Amino acid sequence: NAGVTQTPKFQVLKTGQSMTLQCAQDMNHEYMSWYRQDPGMGLRLIHYSVGAGITDQGEVPNGYNVSRSTTEDFPLRLLSAAPSQTSVYFCASSYTGSSSYEQYFGPGTRLTVT
Amino acid sequence: AQSVAQPEDQVNVAEGNPLTVKCTYSVSGNPYLFWYVQYPNRGLQFLLKYITGDNLVKGSYGFEAEFNKSQTSFHLKKPSALVSDSALYFCAVSPTGFQKLVFGTGTRLLVSP
Repeated sequence: NAGVTQTPKFQVLKTGQSMTLQCAQDMNHEYMSWYRQDPGMGLRLIHYSVGAGITDQGEVPNGYNVSRSTTEDFPLRLLSAAPSQTSVYFCASSYTGSSSYEQYFGPGTRLTVT
Repeated sequence: AQSVAQPEDQVNVAEGNPLTVKCTYSVSGNPYLFWYVQYPNRGLQFLLKYITGDNLVKGSYGFEAEFNKSQTSFHLKKPSALVSDSALYFCAVSPTGFQKLVFGTGTRLLVSP
């Protein structure tokens, strides 16, 4: 049981480039989400999904796209990278039907945009 | 909209002493409150939650948290700190339990030998 996996671990992009951050979970969790972590600002929600085919925006969605074609995968796309998107990105997943409410986080992707 | 405040950027305690990491929240309706811990270069790990019931909730690694509705607080506590408890601690609130988790800015806990 690998839990939540994220690739790549590190990435450097030039301004204007696009890329996809991958997130996968093997726990059959319905809920998946993306956060970015910046110093002094905690974690901020970018996008989330309550199941395959259903996504919604979080607090800071601008510049990011998501899709959820399967229960397991929830990729985050940066359309045209900007230096303001330099951050550490975390994917998380959880059940929706139980009272556990525990979110399982991936190890993160550290992105630098120059 | 919900929000969380962690008023201390850093808390320093000596090993063996009790520790408290403070958190206050604002949410409409019943709060679902959480504490997560982050070790260097790692993702966040769940420590404990308050959904309903007893105001004192116990979690992993000997941590506990006290829910105080009148003060809208959810402080994290441990009776005897360990050096290995040194990490970044986040308080979080959700309006539904799992969706749209809102995090505080984090408190760095340093436990000295």
